[in-house]
Amino acid sequence: DIQMTQSPSSLSASVGDRVTIACRASLSIDRYLNWYQQKAGKAPKLLIYSASTLHSGVPSRFSGSGSGTDFTLTINGLQPEDFATYYCQQSYSTLSLTFGGGTKVEIK
Amino acid sequence: QVQLQESGPGLVKPSGTLSLTCAVSGDSISSSQWWSWVRQSPGRGLEWIGGVSQGGRNHDNASFKSRVTISVDKSKNELSLILTSVTVADTAVYYCARGGYQSRFDHWGQGSLVTVS
Repeated sequence: DIQMTQSPSSLSASVGDRVTIACRASLSIDRYLNWYQQKAGKAPKLLIYSASTLHSGVPSRFSGSGSGTDFTLTINGLQPEDFATYYCQQSYSTLSLTFGGGTKVEIK
Repeated sequence: QVQLQESGPGLVKPSGTLSLTCAVSGDSISSSQWWSWVRQSPGRGLEWIGGVSQGGRNHDNASFKSRVTISVDKSKNELSLILTSVTVADTAVYYCARGGYQSRFDHWGQGSLVTVS
């Protein structure tokens, strides 16, 4: 399996802050990298696919970058509704589609 | 608007069989999409169980060691999951989702909590 490692596992930030979450794949996955947001008791929601393409309806303060093994999710101007857990996921390998361990964004 | 809705027993005995159904509306299960099952537990995080591709081929996570059967019922527009020989480690929230290999999970069901006890 391709392992997906996210960092940090949690962070505290204030409304208006710029937040950056990293995701590293154990093998090159080209740009087959997706980002999801999950709030407590809810299903994950797609934010970004193919490393940098914003999903329909997602605010432009979210952006993604990277290719190969290193990827980043950035939130420019954190809003109250952005406090949640974020996951990266690779869709490159037919053996298994794997998720990162998650990054919980909390209010400072 | 694509919607997915899981249903099935919330409690399964150890060594028993977990069986869930996902009703799809707003899209055809026969469309050019992948359809998958994903589960989530505190200990194992988000875990892709397997899925069915556009061509009707099944792709399963090898870590489930052939315990998984995923199928589609085109007449009912439903996706199904069968997981055999369950243990307490299979206790999780089970989601169906549209997406899979080289795509993204762009629509999810609300999730179905299954407890093995």
